Amino acid sequence: DVKVTQSSRYLVKRTGEKVFLECVQDMDHENMFWYRQDPGLGLRLIYFSYDVKMKEKGDIPEGYSVSREKKERFSLILESASTNQTSMYLCASKSASDTQYFGPGTRLTVL
Amino acid sequence: GQNIDQPTEMTATEGAIVQINCTYQTSGFNGLFWYQQHAGEAPTFLSYNVLDGLEEKGRFSSFLSRSKGYSYLLLKELQMKDSASYLCAVRDGRQAGTALIFGKGTTLSVSS
Repeated sequence: DVKVTQSSRYLVKRTGEKVFLECVQDMDHENMFWYRQDPGLGLRLIYFSYDVKMKEKGDIPEGYSVSREKKERFSLILESASTNQTSMYLCASKSASDTQYFGPGTRLTVL
Repeated sequence: GQNIDQPTEMTATEGAIVQINCTYQTSGFNGLFWYQQHAGEAPTFLSYNVLDGLEEKGRFSSFLSRSKGYSYLLLKELQMKDSASYLCAVRDGRQAGTALIFGKGTTLSVSS
């Protein structure tokens, strides 16, 4: 079974703080993704990575950066958290069959 | 532009059949996915269509018509546990062949 894990299920941070969200997959997938999910807006792609040290912007990259130093780990960074970044963050990993497997999600609240 | 449309909400009763439609307009097309997402949980993969026709998997089936930009997810013998959000997603081959574009999801409520 594919396993995608995320470092926290719930996180509360203050405006201006630097926030790290980590995602780890155990299936040697090359492609990994970060989405945010908001009511009425659905899942929106922030960044994705197709190999170590490679990254591409998704639809809403502003205010975020990512890091992929190892194949199994893909980190999402909020350099200076803002209240409009309060959201559910979902990491996904893609198999050779193109199926994306999602982690359990991190519900981030920025106060 | 890119657009994926699906109804916001649907209701049905236990034992019934429900069809959730999805229409898409994307620059490229390289497959359509359906995911199920229970409240507070991550989406889980249900089905994948890349060719026209019907794919059946137990109580769930998914249909694709590429010429019409249309898909549906058919759920038979509905159970209470099928109450969830159902997400339609298209793989746009133009975007490095890897990312999915998601619809906003259809919330299905199954009542007894």
